[in-house]
Amino acid sequence: GAVVSQHPSRVICKSGTSVKIECRSLDFQATTMFWYRQFPKKSLMLMATSNEGSKATYEQGVEKDKFLINHASLTLSTLTVTSAHPEDSSFYICSARWAGDVTGELFFGEGSRLTVL
Amino acid sequence: GNSVTQMEGPVTLSEEAFLTINCTYTATGYPSLFWYVQYPGEGLQLLLKATKADDKGSNKGFEATYRKETTSFHLEKGSVQVSDSAVYFCARRGGGSEKLVFGKGTKLTVNP
Repeated sequence: GAVVSQHPSRVICKSGTSVKIECRSLDFQATTMFWYRQFPKKSLMLMATSNEGSKATYEQGVEKDKFLINHASLTLSTLTVTSAHPEDSSFYICSARWAGDVTGELFFGEGSRLTVL
Repeated sequence: GNSVTQMEGPVTLSEEAFLTINCTYTATGYPSLFWYVQYPGEGLQLLLKATKADDKGSNKGFEATYRKETTSFHLEKGSVQVSDSAVYFCARRGGGSEKLVFGKGTKLTVNP
């Protein structure tokens, strides 16, 4: 199946710093990528939808200035957590939809665990 | 709104036991229903799906039937293996929204 890769898989940073997480579709072009946040024992919460070449659409309650999303190419989307705080510590997962998809299937990355000290 | 409710885990079974993980969804529109699986250290993978009422999705011995009358999509497997140990997520998409909405996940551990 299609492969989506995230980097880094784990990152530890200090409060106040910014962290960038990359999401790449390795063998297909993804017109749409989705960013999720997963809390312990909680479901995946959709944060935003990013479309290549346009601004991301954020879900209600997600701060767009804090979670910067860029989808600069058909194979790469980035999530930057700005001025990170300990409450931003979480598991962030991206998914991608193939450009020619008609089934609605999404392909997920392995996730990135962020710990803010 | 659109939501998915699945049984709380964790679930611990012995090898070859029968598995059921319950999942119900809100009946807004006509959603497509999915089960995703997350093996340790890996990303989510689509396990099976059903796009309309009475459809049965199946894969790797797992089955789930889209039941409109009970708004359910329960996951079943007749004989689980140790390698089935993972977290299972029920999800819905559609019914006026293209977003994929997940349940909270159920952790399954299968012991030899």
